[in-house]
Amino acid sequence: GESVGLHLPTLSVQEGDNSIINCAYSNSASDYFIWYKQESGKGPQFIIDIRSNMDKRQGQRVTVLLNKTVKHLSLQIAATQPGDSAVYFCAENSGNNRLAFGKGNQVVVIP
Amino acid sequence: KAGVTQTPRYLIKTRGQQVTLSCSPISGHRSVSWYQQTPGQGLQFLFEYFSETQRNKGNFPGRFSGRQFSNSRSEMNVSTLELGDSALYLCASSLANIGNTEAFFGQGTRLTVV
Repeated sequence: GESVGLHLPTLSVQEGDNSIINCAYSNSASDYFIWYKQESGKGPQFIIDIRSNMDKRQGQRVTVLLNKTVKHLSLQIAATQPGDSAVYFCAENSGNNRLAFGKGNQVVVIP
Repeated sequence: KAGVTQTPRYLIKTRGQQVTLSCSPISGHRSVSWYQQTPGQGLQFLFEYFSETQRNKGNFPGRFSGRQFSNSRSEMNVSTLELGDSALYLCASSLANIGNTEAFFGQGTRLTVV
């Protein structure tokens, strides 16, 4: 079936370094993608989105890259801070007004 | 502008009971979706409502149901609770189609079935 998945379960990064979180998706018809951040005890927080007619989009300290050829999505966080420690999910528009989520990737920032 | 509000935050129920969870979307948002989050299965889509109509439903048994009111507030109900229903239930709201516009989540309701 259709699925969205992440390559690495846990990413440990030194404070101040850049982080890259990867995501593979299988539905080539997906045309909208979102990255969410979820801290312990909280709901997912919207970070950034991208539509399939773009291959890059930048926000504040974050950049999302979309490679439709290999069905790959990545989130780059610049100058990672302790507050960036969380689980990050990618989600895709799987049609019919629903989002399909990946399993999540834990980011641990080392002070 | 207030975010998505879910009540209650925490709930403990006994097997066989039923439960109703509530979600108030962001003002002006008409689409409300519900998701179940568990450590093993991640975020699983339950259903989506728009203008009081269920537009889409995930692969959950009929014990899981929902509704949306004219003010866009939504409730979900789980009947005959099972231990496996213990999870974080999340509500997300968006302006129109959750599949192509920003969707914002509430804090969730942590349901524990004992």
